Amino acid sequence: DAGITQSPRHKVTETGTPVTLRCHQTENHRYMYWYRQDPGHGLRLIHYSYGVKDTDKGEVSDGYSVSRSKTEDFLLTLESATSSQTSVYFCAIGIGVLKFNEQFFGPGTRLTVL
Amino acid sequence: GNSVTQMEGPVTLSEEAFLTINCTYTATGYPSLFWYVQYPGEGLQLLLKATKADDKGSNKGFEATYRKETTSFHLEKGSVQVSDSAVYFCALAIPFNSGGSNYKLTFGKGTLLTVNP
Repeated sequence: DAGITQSPRHKVTETGTPVTLRCHQTENHRYMYWYRQDPGHGLRLIHYSYGVKDTDKGEVSDGYSVSRSKTEDFLLTLESATSSQTSVYFCAIGIGVLKFNEQFFGPGTRLTVL
Repeated sequence: GNSVTQMEGPVTLSEEAFLTINCTYTATGYPSLFWYVQYPGEGLQLLLKATKADDKGSNKGFEATYRKETTSFHLEKGSVQVSDSAVYFCALAIPFNSGGSNYKLTFGKGTLLTVNP
């Protein structure tokens, strides 16, 4: 158990509203990731972080921003939610020795944008 | 670019049948390869991995061998159980920083396996 929690686990919101999803880890891992999962697409990387205040874009970052002010928390924000952002969002942490090529995933947040 | 192609599902088998889920990849460099499993309503769990050519990953009766010559990492199990019903994802990891410590995962689209008693 890599000690990853996500909140909320489910959320329904309306188009145009801001939404923030939280990922929390208990083990001080440096690398954290946000993915979205959609039918027919597998998982796609939104943003990632390689340390406090160090973040970068993934392959589907448009419409999303992230922040990491503490090692244990990685926040994903949808500034103005759209229906195309209805998805299941997974947070992950990178684990390894020297090469952090294993990723362990949180339980997911199901977001519905009406 | 890097990509993973895995067998489209759904796959439906009877209990104790033999399972193969095909996975092939395209990558620059030398990726690590993974199979993840997602049970209904849950997040992804790492099932097995292989980090270099000819490595065999194994866990819970599942196996996959890293075949560089065919760029493949097929998942197999000799006798599936109802509890193996899940979505299986093949993935590759390559470093995306110069130090080689931070890795990007690229996933296939997933294969739904249903095992009937």
